[in-house]
Amino acid sequence: DIQMTQSPSSLSASVGDRVTITCRASESIRRVLNWYQQKPGRAPKLLIYAASSLQSGVPSRFSGSGSGTDFTLTISSLQPEDFATYFCQQSYSIPWTFGQGTKVEIK
Amino acid sequence: EVQLVESGGGLVQPGGSLRVSCAASGFTFNNNSMNWVRQAPGKGLEWVSYISSSSSPIYYADSVKGRFTISRDNAKNSLYLQMSSLRAGDTAVYYCARLDSSGGAYYMDVWGKGTTVTVSS
Repeated sequence: DIQMTQSPSSLSASVGDRVTITCRASESIRRVLNWYQQKPGRAPKLLIYAASSLQSGVPSRFSGSGSGTDFTLTISSLQPEDFATYFCQQSYSIPWTFGQGTKVEIK
Repeated sequence: EVQLVESGGGLVQPGGSLRVSCAASGFTFNNNSMNWVRQAPGKGLEWVSYISSSSSPIYYADSVKGRFTISRDNAKNSLYLQMSSLRAGDTAVYYCARLDSSGGAYYMDVWGKGTTVTVSS
């Protein structure tokens, strides 16, 4: 199985900060990497697919990059509604696997 | 409005069985593959099972293989997960999620709100 490792596991940031979350795959997954946002008590929401494609309706402050084994999710200017947990997920090979999550908290 | 609504969760004893359902609306259900994803309390997301639009192929996570069965009824716009030999470790919120693809990647673009399954005596 492909292991997905996110860092950091949590971070504290202020509104307006630039935030970067990284995701590393245990083997190359080309660009087959998705990012989801989850708020407490809510279902996950797709933000980015295929490493860098922005899902319809998602604000442009979210961006993704990377290929192979190393990927990044960037929030260019953190907004109050962005405080949540973020998960990466590979769909390169079954079983599809998720990172353990990165919780973004208010500083 | 594109929507997925899960139902059927509840409390079940270890070793018991339960079937959860997912009702789809607002899109052509038989055009999309579907998935079940679960989340144990306070934990991350775990992919559980995949079913194609035509019901073949089907895939399972090793943790549920042989115990869970995914199925769908395209005439009823419904997805199901039959769970048997349930264990405490199966306690989770179960989400159904629609699969789409673009840019060379598969991704889960629509999610239900989830249904809670608790396995306890």
